[in-house]
Amino acid sequence: KQEVTQIPAALSVPEGENLVLNCSFTDSAIYNLQWFRQDPGKGLTSLLLIQSSQREQTSGRLNASLDKSSGRSTLYIAASQPGDSATYLCAVYNNNDMRFGAGTRLTVKP
Amino acid sequence: EAGVAQSPRYKIIEKRQSVAFWCNPISGHATLYWYQQILGQGPKLLIQFQNNGVVDDSQLPKDRFSAERLKGVDSTLKIQPAKLEDSAVYLCASSFTGNTEAFFGQGTRLTVV
Repeated sequence: KQEVTQIPAALSVPEGENLVLNCSFTDSAIYNLQWFRQDPGKGLTSLLLIQSSQREQTSGRLNASLDKSSGRSTLYIAASQPGDSATYLCAVYNNNDMRFGAGTRLTVKP
Repeated sequence: EAGVAQSPRYKIIEKRQSVAFWCNPISGHATLYWYQQILGQGPKLLIQFQNNGVVDDSQLPKDRFSAERLKGVDSTLKIQPAKLEDSAVYLCASSFTGNTEAFFGQGTRLTVV
């Protein structure tokens, strides 16, 4: 059974800092990995999807990397802004099954 | 392109009552998921449909929860009777097929008192 872990559980940084969020998974036989953002009281917004054959994906200030062999993915956020404050979740796809980590709650202070 | 629609957005019920949630996925998406998200935790899969067939319902508490997707489009999730620990956000998601990018609705926040 796939286990997904996200560390740290919470992170607070000053505006303008670059930061890295981590996601690890136990079963490396994944199809895709997807990063989501969740604002309080809202649903999940898709940020990036990395296919198993890819090593990274970029969208604006976001860059996600994938290392299947070590069971890790990172989400890099450049030049953080207060509007980036949210919970970031990673989801791993295994054989039609999508499992989530508990998320990292990010606070960017002005 | 319309997103995943869920209703209602909020629901407050007393324990032992019943409640139903509705989800309309993105047009053409064969896979539909229902997740339960308890405050401070990641979403937990309750049930996954491929068209109108169940792919995975291993974590669905079948003594009180049921779900259906009769025509392979809309889906309903029902809880009967509700318990206090069912208080959570219920999220619906859809994707073109399993293992492809999933899109989520806004969720239904259930409070059981």
